[in-house]
Formats: sequence, C-alpha cells, structure tokens
Amino acid sequence: DTAVSQTPKYLVTQMGNDKSIKCEQNLGHDTMYWYKQDSKKFLKIMFSYNNKELIINETVPNRFSPKSPDKAHLNLHINSLELGDSAVYFCASSHHQRDNSPLHFGNGTRLTVT
Amino acid sequence: AQSVTQPDIHITVSEGASLELRCNYSYGATPYLFWYVQSPGQGLQLLLKYFSGDTLVQGIKGFEAEFKRSQSSFNLRKPSVHWSDAAEYFCAVGARGYSTLTFGKGTMLLVSP
Repeated sequence: DTAVSQTPKYLVTQMGNDKSIKCEQNLGHDTMYWYKQDSKKFLKIMFSYNNKELIINETVPNRFSPKSPDKAHLNLHINSLELGDSAVYFCASSHHQRDNSPLHFGNGTRLTVT
Repeated sequence: AQSVTQPDIHITVSEGASLELRCNYSYGATPYLFWYVQSPGQGLQLLLKYFSGDTLVQGIKGFEAEFKRSQSSFNLRKPSVHWSDAAEYFCAVGARGYSTLTFGKGTMLLVSP
C-alpha cells in the first residue's frame, strides 16, 4: 500500500548511458514532482506536472525529460548521463491548490554515474 | 524569491534533552511552512505544517513548531528527544499548491546516549 513508489531504488550506470526512473502514486493526487538531492543533501525541484501537464521546469539540462502518461505516473528519463548527475532523485505528489495536502515523497532513487 | 535558512548543519542532543531546530525564511507573501524529516535511505516524511491560524502547530512524533512572523522564523521543538529522532530535518516554505516549495539545506540531528 505504498503511497508514492519509485523504481529502481539504486541505479549504477556509466557515463553516456540513457536511463529511466519510474514513479507511481496511489493517493489520487493531481500533481507530481521530481526533486534532486545532491551530495550535500540539498533538495531542489526539477519538474512538476499537474494532470499530465508540465507546470514547472526549473533550470534542468534538456537531457532530462519527464513523462507523465497519466496523473498517477511521472517518469524521468535521462539521456547521456554525466558524472554530475549522480544524486538521489525523489518523486513526490500532492493536491494542487488544496491547502491540507502536503507533499508525499517516495523513498528516492540513488543514481551513481561512473 | 523565496528562501529558507537552516543555520545549523548538525546538532547533537543528549537523549531525553529538549531540542530546538532553527529555520528562517524569506517570502513575499504569507508563507506556508513545513518541517520534514528524512531518515537514512528514506524519503521525506512530513512532521507538521503551518498555513494560518494558531502560530503553534503540533505535529507527529511529539514535535511542534512556532511561527513567528516578526522574526521570519519557524523553529521546530521537541521537549524530550529519543534516539530514534536522529535524522536529517528539513524546513520548507511554499505557496498555495506547493508548486514552489523551497527547502532549506537541512539540519542533521545526532542523539547521544
């Protein structure tokens, strides 16, 4: 009954490869997010989707492409991986515009690029 | 632009002692404020949130936080810390809808026996 689940939990890959991280939420939320947590634990929003529509796209290289097939899923595809992409990526969801709906986070995907 | 400052990178507290984690924010309008906790290898769990009304909010696990507009602060407190509270704590500020939630850099809490 996991609320926000993301896979895989760990991802080790070489530079130049393409990889995807999947995220699903079963909370009925209409908004989903990708956050990146760097080695210093700093969390920064990357993307936000509301009802499958992109509403936030921070300054993220275009090698990162989110895809939302429906409002319960938000996947993150990364092309041509670089060493600096190594981080923990968190998916989250919430109800947009509903004050009592906090962000619910997944357990993260630790990406290591070698 | 909104920002959050957590001035303490890490804090060590004896088990059973009281705890206060500091958070200062910068936001142009009335802020929505949050505290999250992250245990090793886990995602972030919401401890408590402030939207409006009573400036002292209660959260889970015995935590509380007080919103002080005059000081732009939202400090987290717990009267008696347990060893299981050792984790990273994040303060965050956002607007309605959370689309612009900004996190502080976190405070690592260490609990000594």
